Amino acid sequence: GENVEQHPSTLSVQEGDSAVIKCTYSDSASNYFPWYKQELGKGPQLIIDIRSNVGEKKDQRIAVTLNKTAKHFSLHITETQPEDSAVYFCAATLKGYSSASKIIFGSGTRLSIRP
Amino acid sequence: SAVISQKPSRDICQRGTSLTIQCQVDSQVTMMFWYRQQPGQSLTLIATANQGSEATYESGFVIDKFPISRPNLTFSTLTVSNMSPEDSSIYLCSVVEELAKNIQYFGAGTRLSVL
Repeated sequence: GENVEQHPSTLSVQEGDSAVIKCTYSDSASNYFPWYKQELGKGPQLIIDIRSNVGEKKDQRIAVTLNKTAKHFSLHITETQPEDSAVYFCAATLKGYSSASKIIFGSGTRLSIRP
Repeated sequence: SAVISQKPSRDICQRGTSLTIQCQVDSQVTMMFWYRQQPGQSLTLIATANQGSEATYESGFVIDKFPISRPNLTFSTLTVSNMSPEDSSIYLCSVVEELAKNIQYFGAGTRLSVL
């Protein structure tokens, strides 16, 4: 089955700098890679996703890249702000859900933005 | 995306008792899931809630401990039975609106403490 590894587990950056979180997956059949942001006391919120037919996707200060050959994908946050402080989870799954294609989550990265 | 409401948002319970958590969605959804998130950890899938039939449980989770109901396409309950302190976790409901997209949205979660 799919296995997703996420690094680093904690990340502290200066406000205004960039943050990068990296994930690797094991199942080459996975074709959908969402990223979730979980703020304290809240449920995970989908912030961006990418499908295997594209290599990069950007939404304002957030971008995700995917390297299918190496089976890794990354989240990039530029011009970080205090409200970016949260736990971020990467995930991998197959498009077109079936009982065999659960979403598998990474272990999470706790991002702290220093003022 | 669907709006997901979970009740209660938090509770403190005595060991040996049971708690039922409700998940209400504002629109009909294809799939509903229940996750457990232990303190500082990632999300672990407990089961898929199937409408009108028994839930599909993941390895390590059993119906006697976590009975689940899903009477219709907008509502599900998870019961945590015969609780012990080890059951102290966040329990999250999530939904998939369209199978083809396989995008999961999460509720805010229920924070359970067992004394």
